[in-house]
Amino acid sequence: QVQLQQSGPGLVKPSQTLSLTCAISGDSVSSNSAAWIWIRQSPSRGLEWLGRTYYRSKWYYEYGASVKSRITINPDTSKNQFSLQLNSVTPEDTAVYYCARDPYIDVWGKGTTVTVSS
Amino acid sequence: QSVLTQPPSASGTPGQRVTISCSGSSSNIGSNTVNWYQQLPGTAPKLLIYSNNKRPSGVPDRFSGSKSGTSASLAISGLQSEDEADYYCAVWDDSLKGVVFGGGTKLTVL
Repeated sequence: QVQLQQSGPGLVKPSQTLSLTCAISGDSVSSNSAAWIWIRQSPSRGLEWLGRTYYRSKWYYEYGASVKSRITINPDTSKNQFSLQLNSVTPEDTAVYYCARDPYIDVWGKGTTVTVSS
Repeated sequence: QSVLTQPPSASGTPGQRVTISCSGSSSNIGSNTVNWYQQLPGTAPKLLIYSNNKRPSGVPDRFSGSKSGTSASLAISGLQSEDEADYYCAVWDDSLKGVVFGGGTKLTVL
C-alpha cells in the first residue's frame, strides 16, 4: 500500500521560501510509471495543480503557469522522497498543500496547512 | 474561476440518483480522460473515478462516470448519507500543460 508522509513548517513569513517534503513508502520516486505531484487548496483558488516530477530514463519537471517562476520540485532518491520549494511567498500562497502520485492522482498525502504571515 | 465548470451544489434524498456535471473544452476534456474525486470535510480528496468511467478497487459500483465531447458526468445511485461531500472533476489540459480541476460540487443528502 502506497503512503505519502508530508512534513514541513505550517507558518512562513512573506517574501520567504515555503519548503515541504513528501516521503514515499510502498513505491519509488524513481518509478518509471509514476509521477510525483504537489497540489494546493484554498477557498479562493480551489484545487490548484502546482507541478510534478517524474523519471523516464531521465528526470522531468513540469510546473503550473501560476507558479512557474517561483517553484522547484526535487526528487531525492537516497531518501525516496520529493520536495516542494516555493519562493517569494505572499499571503495569497496560504493554503493546504498536498503531495500526491500520478497517474490518476490516486494517492494523496494528508495535507499541510501553510499560512503566510508575519 | 476554474477552467472546468461544475455546479456549486447538488442534493438528493436517500436512495435517489444524482448527477454532477463537469464542462470543459477541446484542450482538456475534449482530448483527455477525466478523473473524479470525493472530499470529506477535513480530509484529502479521494480518487473515485479514473479514465472517465473506471472505479478504483473499493469504490462502490453506485458511483459511475461518463464523458461525451467536452463534458463529463459523475452519477451516484442509491444515495446514502455518507455520500455527503465535495466532488471534483480533474483532467490534463494540453494548452495549459497541467492538470485542471473543477470548482467542486457540494452534495447534500436531505
